[in-house]
Amino acid sequence: GDSVTQMEGPVTLSEEAFLTINCTYTATGYPSLFWYVQYPGEGLQLLLKATKADDKGSNKGFEATYRKETTSFHLEKGSVQVSDSAVYFCALTPQRDDKIIFGKGTRLHILP
Amino acid sequence: GAVVSQHPSRVICKSGTSVKIECRSLDFQATTMFWYRQFPKKSLMLMATSNEGSKATYEQGVEKDKFLINHASLTLSTLTVTSAHPEDSSFYICSARDARVWDGYTFGSGTRLTVV
Repeated sequence: GDSVTQMEGPVTLSEEAFLTINCTYTATGYPSLFWYVQYPGEGLQLLLKATKADDKGSNKGFEATYRKETTSFHLEKGSVQVSDSAVYFCALTPQRDDKIIFGKGTRLHILP
Repeated sequence: GAVVSQHPSRVICKSGTSVKIECRSLDFQATTMFWYRQFPKKSLMLMATSNEGSKATYEQGVEKDKFLINHASLTLSTLTVTSAHPEDSSFYICSARDARVWDGYTFGSGTRLTVV
Protein backbone atom coordinates (compact mmCIF):
# COMPACT_ATOMS: atom_id res chain seq x y z
CA GLY A 1 0.00 0.00 0.00
CA ASP A 2 0.89 3.66 -0.06
CA SER A 3 3.43 4.79 2.50
CA VAL A 4 5.80 7.55 3.52
CA THR A 5 9.28 7.10 4.95
CA GLN A 6 11.16 9.96 6.51
CA MET A 7 14.44 10.20 8.35
CA GLU A 8 14.33 9.45 12.02
CA GLY A 9 15.08 12.11 14.53
CA PRO A 10 15.80 13.89 16.57
CA VAL A 11 17.82 16.20 14.40
CA THR A 12 19.86 18.80 16.29
CA LEU A 13 21.41 21.74 14.47
CA SER A 14 22.90 25.07 15.36
CA GLU A 15 21.16 28.24 14.34
CA GLU A 16 21.86 29.28 10.73
CA ALA A 17 22.79 25.73 9.73
CA PHE A 18 21.48 24.12 6.55
CA LEU A 19 18.63 21.69 7.05
CA THR A 20 17.62 18.64 5.07
CA ILE A 21 14.96 16.18 6.20
CA ASN A 22 14.67 13.27 3.80
CA CYS A 23 11.32 11.90 2.72
CA THR A 24 10.54 9.15 0.22
CA TYR A 25 7.19 7.70 -0.67
CA THR A 26 5.54 4.69 -2.19
CA ALA A 27 2.34 5.29 -4.09
CA THR A 28 0.64 4.44 -7.34
CA GLY A 29 -0.10 7.16 -9.83
CA TYR A 30 0.50 10.76 -8.90
CA PRO A 31 -0.08 11.52 -5.23
CA SER A 32 0.00 15.00 -3.76
CA LEU A 33 2.86 15.56 -1.33
CA PHE A 34 2.94 17.65 1.81
CA TRP A 35 5.07 18.74 4.70
CA TYR A 36 3.26 19.48 7.94
CA VAL A 37 4.79 21.04 11.04
CA GLN A 38 3.75 20.61 14.66
CA TYR A 39 5.12 23.25 17.02
CA PRO A 40 5.27 22.41 20.73
CA GLY A 41 1.79 22.33 22.22
CA GLU A 42 0.06 23.08 18.94
CA GLY A 43 -1.76 21.17 16.24
CA LEU A 44 -0.52 20.25 12.80
CA GLN A 45 -0.10 23.02 10.25
CA LEU A 46 0.47 22.71 6.56
CA LEU A 47 3.96 23.97 5.76
CA LEU A 48 4.09 23.40 2.02
CA LYS A 49 2.78 21.13 -0.69
CA ALA A 50 3.37 19.98 -4.27
CA THR A 51 0.80 18.38 -6.49
CA LYS A 52 2.71 17.21 -9.54
CA ALA A 53 6.16 16.09 -10.58
CA ASP A 54 8.89 18.76 -10.50
CA ASP A 55 6.68 21.15 -8.52
CA LYS A 56 8.49 23.00 -5.77
CA GLY A 57 6.59 23.89 -2.63
CA SER A 58 7.95 26.70 -0.50
CA ASN A 59 6.99 28.59 2.64
CA LYS A 60 8.81 30.40 5.47
CA GLY A 61 12.17 29.67 3.83
CA PHE A 62 11.48 25.94 3.56
CA GLU A 63 11.45 24.22 0.18
CA ALA A 64 10.71 20.75 -1.15
CA THR A 65 10.65 19.49 -4.72
CA TYR A 66 8.42 16.66 -5.96
CA ARG A 67 10.81 14.18 -7.54
CA LYS A 68 8.89 11.48 -9.35
CA GLU A 69 12.00 9.68 -10.58
CA THR A 70 13.34 9.19 -7.06
CA THR A 71 9.93 9.22 -5.33
CA SER A 72 11.24 11.84 -2.93
CA PHE A 73 10.12 15.10 -1.35
CA HIS A 74 13.03 16.22 0.81
CA LEU A 75 12.55 19.28 3.01
CA GLU A 76 15.30 21.91 2.97
CA LYS A 77 16.03 25.25 4.55
CA GLY A 78 19.16 27.25 4.01
CA SER A 79 19.44 28.85 7.45
CA VAL A 80 17.40 27.52 10.35
CA GLN A 81 16.28 29.50 13.37
CA VAL A 82 15.53 28.49 16.94
CA SER A 83 11.85 29.10 16.18
CA ASP A 84 11.96 26.28 13.61
CA SER A 85 12.22 23.73 16.42
CA ALA A 86 9.23 21.45 15.92
CA VAL A 87 8.18 18.07 14.60
CA TYR A 88 7.97 17.82 10.83
CA PHE A 89 5.74 15.29 9.06
CA CYS A 90 6.00 14.30 5.43
CA ALA A 91 2.67 13.16 4.03
CA LEU A 92 0.85 12.23 0.86
CA THR A 93 -2.67 11.94 -0.40
CA PRO A 94 -3.07 9.18 -2.95
CA GLN A 95 -4.42 10.03 -6.33
CA ARG A 96 -8.24 10.11 -6.18
CA ASP A 97 -8.39 9.59 -2.43
CA ASP A 98 -9.13 11.82 0.54
CA LYS A 99 -6.84 10.11 3.00
CA ILE A 100 -3.60 11.58 4.25
CA ILE A 101 -0.80 9.14 4.89
CA PHE A 102 1.90 10.42 7.22
CA GLY A 103 5.50 9.60 7.86
CA LYS A 104 6.61 9.05 11.44
CA GLY A 105 7.68 12.62 11.96
CA THR A 106 11.12 14.10 12.56
CA ARG A 107 11.78 16.15 15.67
CA LEU A 108 14.04 19.11 14.98
CA HIS A 109 15.99 20.94 17.69
CA ILE A 110 17.74 24.18 16.82
CA LEU A 111 20.34 25.38 19.27
CA PRO A 112 21.04 29.10 19.65
CA GLY B 1 -8.15 30.73 7.67
CA ALA B 2 -10.01 27.56 8.52
CA VAL B 3 -9.98 26.63 12.18
CA VAL B 4 -10.71 23.29 13.78
CA SER B 5 -11.35 23.16 17.50
CA GLN B 6 -10.76 19.89 19.32
CA HIS B 7 -11.89 19.34 22.90
CA PRO B 8 -10.73 18.34 25.44
CA SER B 9 -7.01 18.78 25.01
CA ARG B 10 -6.27 16.38 27.85
CA VAL B 11 -8.39 13.82 29.62
CA ILE B 12 -7.69 11.19 32.24
CA CYS B 13 -10.26 8.49 32.77
CA LYS B 14 -10.61 5.22 34.65
CA SER B 15 -10.54 1.86 32.93
CA GLY B 16 -13.96 0.79 31.80
CA THR B 17 -15.38 4.28 31.35
CA SER B 18 -16.12 6.05 28.08
CA VAL B 19 -14.63 9.28 26.83
CA LYS B 20 -15.98 11.59 24.15
CA ILE B 21 -13.74 13.83 22.06
CA GLU B 22 -15.25 16.64 20.00
CA CYS B 23 -13.98 18.09 16.76
CA ARG B 24 -15.59 21.28 15.46
CA SER B 25 -14.98 23.26 12.31
CA LEU B 26 -15.43 26.85 13.44
CA ASP B 27 -15.71 28.86 10.26
CA PHE B 28 -16.44 26.36 7.54
CA GLN B 29 -18.58 23.37 6.84
CA ALA B 30 -16.86 20.04 6.78
CA THR B 31 -18.66 17.21 5.06
CA THR B 32 -15.70 14.97 5.82
CA MET B 33 -13.62 14.74 8.97
CA PHE B 34 -10.83 12.36 9.81
CA TRP B 35 -9.69 10.86 13.08
CA TYR B 36 -6.06 9.94 13.67
CA ARG B 37 -4.19 8.28 16.47
CA GLN B 38 -0.58 9.11 17.16
CA PHE B 39 1.53 6.51 18.88
CA PRO B 40 4.80 7.49 20.58
CA LYS B 41 7.60 7.65 18.03
CA LYS B 42 5.27 6.47 15.31
CA SER B 43 3.35 8.14 12.58
CA LEU B 44 -0.19 9.38 12.65
CA MET B 45 -2.46 6.47 11.88
CA LEU B 46 -5.78 7.14 10.22
CA MET B 47 -8.51 5.51 12.26
CA ALA B 48 -11.62 6.45 10.34
CA THR B 49 -13.20 8.83 7.91
CA SER B 50 -16.30 10.54 9.23
CA ASN B 51 -18.95 11.61 6.73
CA GLU B 52 -21.77 13.93 7.73
CA GLY B 53 -25.06 12.12 7.86
CA SER B 54 -23.70 8.66 7.20
CA LYS B 55 -21.69 5.94 8.87
CA ALA B 56 -18.00 6.39 9.35
CA THR B 57 -15.54 4.40 7.29
CA TYR B 58 -13.06 2.62 9.52
CA GLU B 59 -9.55 1.58 8.59
CA GLN B 60 -8.57 -2.03 8.81
CA GLY B 61 -7.83 -3.11 12.34
CA VAL B 62 -9.80 -0.33 14.03
CA GLU B 63 -12.62 -1.61 16.24
CA LYS B 64 -15.86 0.08 15.26
CA ASP B 65 -17.60 -0.77 18.50
CA LYS B 66 -14.77 0.62 20.57
CA PHE B 67 -14.22 3.86 18.69
CA LEU B 68 -17.64 5.26 17.97
CA ILE B 69 -17.74 8.13 15.52
CA ASN B 70 -20.69 10.41 15.00
CA HIS B 71 -20.84 13.22 12.44
CA ALA B 72 -24.31 14.60 13.03
CA SER B 73 -23.76 18.05 11.59
CA LEU B 74 -21.54 19.80 9.08
CA THR B 75 -19.45 21.33 11.85
CA LEU B 76 -19.18 18.60 14.48
CA SER B 77 -17.75 15.13 14.64
CA THR B 78 -17.26 13.17 17.85
CA LEU B 79 -15.09 10.21 18.72
CA THR B 80 -16.16 8.16 21.73
CA VAL B 81 -13.71 5.69 23.18
CA THR B 82 -15.92 3.12 24.86
CA SER B 83 -14.88 0.94 27.78
CA ALA B 84 -11.45 2.48 27.73
CA HIS B 85 -8.36 0.49 28.69
CA PRO B 86 -4.81 1.62 29.39
CA GLU B 87 -3.75 0.52 25.91
CA ASP B 88 -6.15 3.10 24.49
CA SER B 89 -4.00 5.83 26.01
CA SER B 90 -2.74 7.88 23.10
CA PHE B 91 -2.86 11.19 21.31
CA TYR B 92 -5.92 11.56 19.09
CA ILE B 93 -6.13 14.19 16.36
CA CYS B 94 -9.01 15.17 14.14
CA SER B 95 -8.85 16.80 10.76
CA ALA B 96 -11.50 18.47 8.68
CA ARG B 97 -11.49 19.18 5.02
CA ASP B 98 -12.52 22.64 3.91
CA ALA B 99 -14.27 22.03 0.61
CA ARG B 100 -13.49 25.60 -0.47
CA VAL B 101 -9.77 24.89 -0.55
CA TRP B 102 -8.29 22.10 -2.58
CA ASP B 103 -6.24 19.86 -0.31
CA GLY B 104 -7.43 22.12 2.47
CA TYR B 105 -7.00 19.89 5.49
CA THR B 106 -7.05 21.62 8.87
CA PHE B 107 -6.09 19.79 12.01
CA GLY B 108 -7.29 20.08 15.57
CA SER B 109 -4.76 20.54 18.35
CA GLY B 110 -5.21 16.97 19.54
CA THR B 111 -6.41 15.21 22.66
CA ARG B 112 -4.09 13.40 25.04
CA LEU B 113 -6.05 10.50 26.52
CA THR B 114 -4.68 8.70 29.56
CA VAL B 115 -6.56 5.69 30.87
CA VAL B 116 -5.64 4.67 34.41
